[in-house]
Amino acid sequence: EPEVTQTPSHQVTQMGQEVILRCVPISNHLYFYWYRQILGQKVEFLVSFYNNEISEKSEIFDDQFSVERPDGSNFTLKIRSTKLEDSAMYFCASSEAVVQDRPYEQYFGPGTRLTVT
Amino acid sequence: QKEVEQNSGPLSVPEGAIASLNCTYSDRGSQSFFWYRQYSGKSPELIMFIYSNGDKEDGRFTAQLNKASQYVSLLIRDSQPSDSATYLCAVNQDNYGQNFVFGPGTRLSVLP
Repeated sequence: EPEVTQTPSHQVTQMGQEVILRCVPISNHLYFYWYRQILGQKVEFLVSFYNNEISEKSEIFDDQFSVERPDGSNFTLKIRSTKLEDSAMYFCASSEAVVQDRPYEQYFGPGTRLTVT
Repeated sequence: QKEVEQNSGPLSVPEGAIASLNCTYSDRGSQSFFWYRQYSGKSPELIMFIYSNGDKEDGRFTAQLNKASQYVSLLIRDSQPSDSATYLCAVNQDNYGQNFVFGPGTRLSVLP
């Protein structure tokens, strides 16, 4: 069964450093997402990406964040200068193309635990 | 601001019983509703979705939607200890993907 994969599973970085989190969405999916979950809190939307551009982003997704699809399979989230409060689990998700009158499900990867020290 | 509310629990039910999980949402324009299960330290795993008023059944799971009351629920029949997890309600404003607004989740404990 196809699945979303993410690397690394755990990333430790020092405050102020740049990190890149990587995701490989399900191969026939066209919509890609990043969410984060701070320990003990709810899952929060960061950004959605379609047709090589951001289609929606939340207030959390400020200038420190960027996303890219550098090739036909990878989808990355970059945090330019990490802060302590960026410590969280980051989930990548993907979904199929639009089908009329049918909501389509988002499938989540296993996540990357980011620890900023 | 769109809000999705759930009782945090824990909700404890004996093995074999029906577990009932509830979710309310603030945005009346919401179109589709998803239930995810999340085991501790793991990612959300899709259980089912619903977008029409009424009931939708999938195996031991039944989702119920009442848009007039802005309420969606998940029933788990014949609960098993392996069902012990946090159940997340996610709401989507339209049928074109984009972002989900998640509730805080309800922790379910099924007692053997």
